Amino acid sequence: EMQLVESGGGLVQPGGSLRLSCATSGFSFSSGWMHWVRQAPGKGLMGVSRINGDGSVTGYADSVKGRFTISRDNAKNTLFLHMDSLRVEDTAVYYCVRKMNTATWGQGTLVTVS
Amino acid sequence: EIVMTQSPLSLPVTPGEPASISCRASQSLLHSNGHNYLDWYLQRPGQTPQLLIYLGSNRASGVPDRFSGSGAGTSFTLRIRRVEAEDVGVYYCVQTLQTWTFGQGTRVEIK
Repeated sequence: EMQLVESGGGLVQPGGSLRLSCATSGFSFSSGWMHWVRQAPGKGLMGVSRINGDGSVTGYADSVKGRFTISRDNAKNTLFLHMDSLRVEDTAVYYCVRKMNTATWGQGTLVTVS
Repeated sequence: EIVMTQSPLSLPVTPGEPASISCRASQSLLHSNGHNYLDWYLQRPGQTPQLLIYLGSNRASGVPDRFSGSGAGTSFTLRIRRVEAEDVGVYYCVQTLQTWTFGQGTRVEIK
């Protein structure tokens, strides 16, 4: 069974940093794109970042470009999101997502910037 | 960044009746491989999103055949042939050609 488990969220002051992790199991982690998606309280979904299988190609939403960095450790089947210069508007539940012909979402980790 | 626009944003439905949601992209989602990079998700209250349709018109595994997706380029539609009570929630289109961008969401509720 495919599993994604996020961690690393918490309360941080504006301007601070956090690193999110997403531990995965049950599939060939290195073989495909991984994504971070966030959802602010009571709001819609927003794609944050994505990374290809070997980590050579990354993409970011305009609102986080230059502040967030996505990476992956294929030996440890783990996805990361390093977040710097955090803003109040970055407050959200952050999900890691694996999508092929099906989509698997983690349970999310809450980041509160206040 | 590709902007996705859904309509309507709220959709009251009657069980047994059809329903449809439109989604427009600010640029074409047609890849040179012939696929349209547009997915549809349903987020039920308190749950993570469930993939319904991928690449514009392909039903994801386990999704009832009352759900269908169509469209190409910049204009797409999700149709529910006969709405059931379990279909309530927020529906999102998302472009997957670049870093994902989602539509605003369409809240479907029973009349």
